[in-house]
Amino acid sequence: GQQLNQSPQSMFIQEGEDVSMNCTSSSIFNTWLWYKQDPGEGPVLLIALYKAGELTSNGRLTAQFGITRKDSFLNISASIPSDVGIYFCAGPFHSGGYQKVTFGTGTKLQVIP
Amino acid sequence: GAVVSQHPSWVICKSGTSVKIECRSLDFQATTMFWYRQFPKQSLMLMATSNEGSKATYEQGVEKDKFLINHASLTLSTLTVTSAHPEDSSFYICSATSTGVNEQFFGPGTRLTVL
Repeated sequence: GQQLNQSPQSMFIQEGEDVSMNCTSSSIFNTWLWYKQDPGEGPVLLIALYKAGELTSNGRLTAQFGITRKDSFLNISASIPSDVGIYFCAGPFHSGGYQKVTFGTGTKLQVIP
Repeated sequence: GAVVSQHPSWVICKSGTSVKIECRSLDFQATTMFWYRQFPKQSLMLMATSNEGSKATYEQGVEKDKFLINHASLTLSTLTVTSAHPEDSSFYICSATSTGVNEQFFGPGTRLTVL
């Protein structure tokens, strides 16, 4: 099955710094999704990417869909304490008549005030 | 819009008992609902997919007789963990979507602790 590997696994950064994390896949995806999960909560969609090479921003977040369709990165600029959480990439795929989503391994972000 | 709720938020039960978790779409009709399980420090793993009024389809390795799913209406799906054991302790998250909608909307999760 599809595997999405994220790096780094965990990172500590100083408030105000920029952050970059990436996601690579063993399979091609036609859509890439980036989610954030706060402790004890469900994931919330941050950015959706639909086209290879696409660069999309949402406030301080920027994500790019790799040209090979096997990778994506997420950047967070000028980090703030509320950016703390786990960031997951995810890829939708069709199986058994449903559009399902497979999640990456996650990147845990800690922001030091 | 597109709000999904789960109840309860946290449940503690004794080993051998059954626990029911509810997932509701509050402001839209969910034709399809998904159930995920997340162990500590791990990613979300899809357990099963259900359409309203039909049987759920389970992912490989998920016991359908242990994790009973009922999607009785377009706004409610339930997951019952039967004869729960400590290894079933986990964070259970549901998501919902509608036909033609290209996104799943996630609930806040239910933390199950089996003693």
